[in-house]
Amino acid sequence: GAGVSQSPSNKVTEKGKDVELRCDPISGHTALYWYRQSLGQGLEFLIYFQGNSAPDKSGLPSDRFSAERTGGSVSTLTIQRTQQEDSAVYLCASRSTGAYTQYFGPGTRLTVL
Amino acid sequence: GESVGLHLPTLSVQEGDNSIINCAYSNSASDYFIWYKQESGKGPQFIIDIRSNMDKRQGQRVTVLLNKTVKHLSLQIAATQPGDSAVYFCAESASGYSTLTFGKGTMLLVSP
Repeated sequence: GAGVSQSPSNKVTEKGKDVELRCDPISGHTALYWYRQSLGQGLEFLIYFQGNSAPDKSGLPSDRFSAERTGGSVSTLTIQRTQQEDSAVYLCASRSTGAYTQYFGPGTRLTVL
Repeated sequence: GESVGLHLPTLSVQEGDNSIINCAYSNSASDYFIWYKQESGKGPQFIIDIRSNMDKRQGQRVTVLLNKTVKHLSLQIAATQPGDSAVYFCAESASGYSTLTFGKGTMLLVSP
């Protein structure tokens, strides 16, 4: 079946602009995660949605970052007033209820000029 | 917070060799461990996972070993192929339902 999809695959923006990144999880997966991967680094947790529970926002690096998940499916990560240090690959993962494995999408590469 | 780390940043092997990628973790409360493979320009791909109540788990050409005494995790790849060349990440979580903490990754280079 279809895996996790993300769009756009690449995004180039100017410093100070806002960006929105989209994640479509695997159908039926109730848990959704956002991670960030900087060049040559491991993955850094950003935010976690589980069903209708309040999201775990403990990994968001600043108040410029926010995310929402509409209808328990699609999620959007928004970065306001982008900075050059926001340049990274943003990865989304989803997980089925009762299972442990997180499945990742291909990521969105964000470049802030 | 506690984190997961890797011993070797780069591992170069010949095709056909067996590869071993190591990972140390520091959170003794971790209950779930997972290995991902990431090829250039792609998202991490699930390889194999293991829970803390096990010390070994096998998949197709891959085996994960967990040593809770020394908080060490390893991924063994049998008969390594050029297509195995990628960055391998280990990750852990306090429970499988929570967020993953990733190590920085090991680059595996397989020469024909």
